[in-house]
Amino acid sequence: GQNIDQPTEMTATEGAIVQINCTYQTSGFNGLFWYQQHAGEAPTFLSYNVLDGLEEKGRFSSFLSRSKGYSYLLLKELQMKDSASYLCASSYNNNDMRFGAGTRLTVKP
Amino acid sequence: DVKVTQSSRYLVKRTGEKVFLECVQDMDHENMFWYRQDPGLGLRLIYFSYDVKMKEKGDIPEGYSVSREKKERFSLILESASTNQTSMYLCASRGLGSNSPLHFGNGTRLTVT
Repeated sequence: GQNIDQPTEMTATEGAIVQINCTYQTSGFNGLFWYQQHAGEAPTFLSYNVLDGLEEKGRFSSFLSRSKGYSYLLLKELQMKDSASYLCASSYNNNDMRFGAGTRLTVKP
Repeated sequence: DVKVTQSSRYLVKRTGEKVFLECVQDMDHENMFWYRQDPGLGLRLIYFSYDVKMKEKGDIPEGYSVSREKKERFSLILESASTNQTSMYLCASRGLGSNSPLHFGNGTRLTVT
């Protein structure tokens, strides 16, 4: 399978900024997705990148470098409700989608 | 809004039983997926299907099979359930287009005793 790596856990303070990194295998790469998953719930779509650069969507931004096989999710003005797992997933030419193990983010007051 | 419905939220089965997990989507999506999610391992792809009667193995197909007789329905079958198949199973669908995200069902927590 395609190796997708991201940190297991991160902790940040309410109101701060946090960056969650992800690396993936570039062979056959077709797009990079970020999902948010609250405990006990299904993952929900956050962002998509296929070209190099930053995509901004409110408090959340996602960056991609295709040549480096690298992406990050940036969360600004953290709120307590942002405590969740963040899943990096890459799509490949054969139409499937593979996930990293997820990063559990804890936001503290 | 896309709706992906999994038939059971919780399921308890005995070792050796044949188990069917059903998934239905209402957005006419071509692609459907089955993942299992385990702590520390994340979402692992079992099988996916890009069209009716078509299927592709994912990373961990052993012990599982799938069926896609109709476009809206994708079934996961455990031929002979084992305790190491105790897990959360997530079904998802996805439209055409590289920017199409996955839409997930609420998951089925399967316990094999």
